[in-house]
Amino acid sequence: DVVMTQTPPSLSVAIGQSVSISCKSSQSLVASDKNTYLNWLLQSPGRSPKRLIYQVSKLDSGVPDRFSGSGSEKDFTLKISRVEAEDLGVYYCLQGTHLLTFGSGTKLEIK
Amino acid sequence: EVQILETGGGLVKPGGSLRLSCATSGFNFNDYFMNWVRQAPGKGLEWVAQIRNKNYNYATYYAESLEGRVTISRDDSKSSVYLQVSSLRAEDTAIYYCTTGSAYWGQGTLVTVSS
Repeated sequence: DVVMTQTPPSLSVAIGQSVSISCKSSQSLVASDKNTYLNWLLQSPGRSPKRLIYQVSKLDSGVPDRFSGSGSEKDFTLKISRVEAEDLGVYYCLQGTHLLTFGSGTKLEIK
Repeated sequence: EVQILETGGGLVKPGGSLRLSCATSGFNFNDYFMNWVRQAPGKGLEWVAQIRNKNYNYATYYAESLEGRVTISRDDSKSSVYLQVSSLRAEDTAIYYCTTGSAYWGQGTLVTVSS
């Protein structure tokens, strides 16, 4: 089974700062079709998860370009530039190459 | 507009069973693999089961922690997916989400296992 190791478990940042979240997979996430099915989700308080980024770096419609994803094979990063109050919540990485596996989550708090 | 609505949750006694339903609209259901994901109170997201589409012969897959106690099924004519859970335990208490796997999520249905 694929294990997704996500760090840090929590972040406390001021509005306008930038943050990065790391996600490392125990296996390569490159699929047989050559795509890499690594997603980033945000679960705002009391809400269902919402996808922000798919296939490592593609932003979903309506997601601000303050969000960016990067990485390859087994090592991935979500960066949020100029954090805003609405960004608070728990961020999860999710691999979809080998069934589904979630990272343990990163709770983003606003100072 | 994509809509995903889970129903069937509730309070169940340990050892009991439950059938969760997920009705969808607004996307081409037949093209998608469908999943159930759960979230215990205050915890992270845990994948439960997947059913693939007709092109993949409706193959099913289950999380090891639940295998033998859950069955996922789908009805393409109703754009719906189901999850049968049996021999429920306190640790099965969670919000159960229906999802395409990343893009589309329902609001979840709460299952509480308690005597």
